[in-house]
Amino acid sequence: GAVVSQHPSWVICKSGTSVKIECRSLDFQATTMFWYRQFPKQSLMLMATSNEGSKATYEQGVEKDKFLINHASLTLSTLTVTSAHPEDSSFYICSAERGVTNTEAFFGQGTRLTVV
Amino acid sequence: SQQGEEDPQALSIQEGENATMNCSYKTSINNLQWYRQNSGRGLVHLILIRSNEREKHSGRLRVTLDTSKKSSSLLITASRAADTASYFCATGPFSGGYNKLIFGAGTRLAVHP
Repeated sequence: GAVVSQHPSWVICKSGTSVKIECRSLDFQATTMFWYRQFPKQSLMLMATSNEGSKATYEQGVEKDKFLINHASLTLSTLTVTSAHPEDSSFYICSAERGVTNTEAFFGQGTRLTVV
Repeated sequence: SQQGEEDPQALSIQEGENATMNCSYKTSINNLQWYRQNSGRGLVHLILIRSNEREKHSGRLRVTLDTSKKSSSLLITASRAADTASYFCATGPFSGGYNKLIFGAGTRLAVHP
């Protein structure tokens, strides 16, 4: 089956620092990846769509300068939370499409970010 | 913005009983997917149903889709304690990205031994 690996699984950082989260498709090429955020006891909210070789498309209300997304290759997308604040503490999870028409995406295991 | 509403928000049942969760959505969709999430963990894909399908089965899971009512249901039969988790429906838009998913609020299922 298709595997998406997300790294790190958890991270604690100080306010004001930046954190990079990686999303890799291990056994397939992903032309499109998606980034979601989930606050405790809430649902997942789509943050942005990441396309290989082009700029990410952000959902309304998501600051593109704060959440930098880079999809440099067909197997890797990164999300960098810049100048992190405690309110950015959340569970971040990515998904990747295989590029086969009308099939499911595959989710990474998520990254729990705690900003102190 | 969140599209789907799920009910109930929480469901508590005994092992062996069936669990039914419902999901409603607002816009036209290409597909609807159900996921399970154990506490603090990643998502497990359960089943995908396309807009031209009405019912799908997978093991103990049965999913229905009524596009006229913009609703779906997930039935878990003969539940087990291991089914305890949060369940989310997610809709893929009619256009603009098959897997650009909008998630429902989720149902927290507790199955007691």
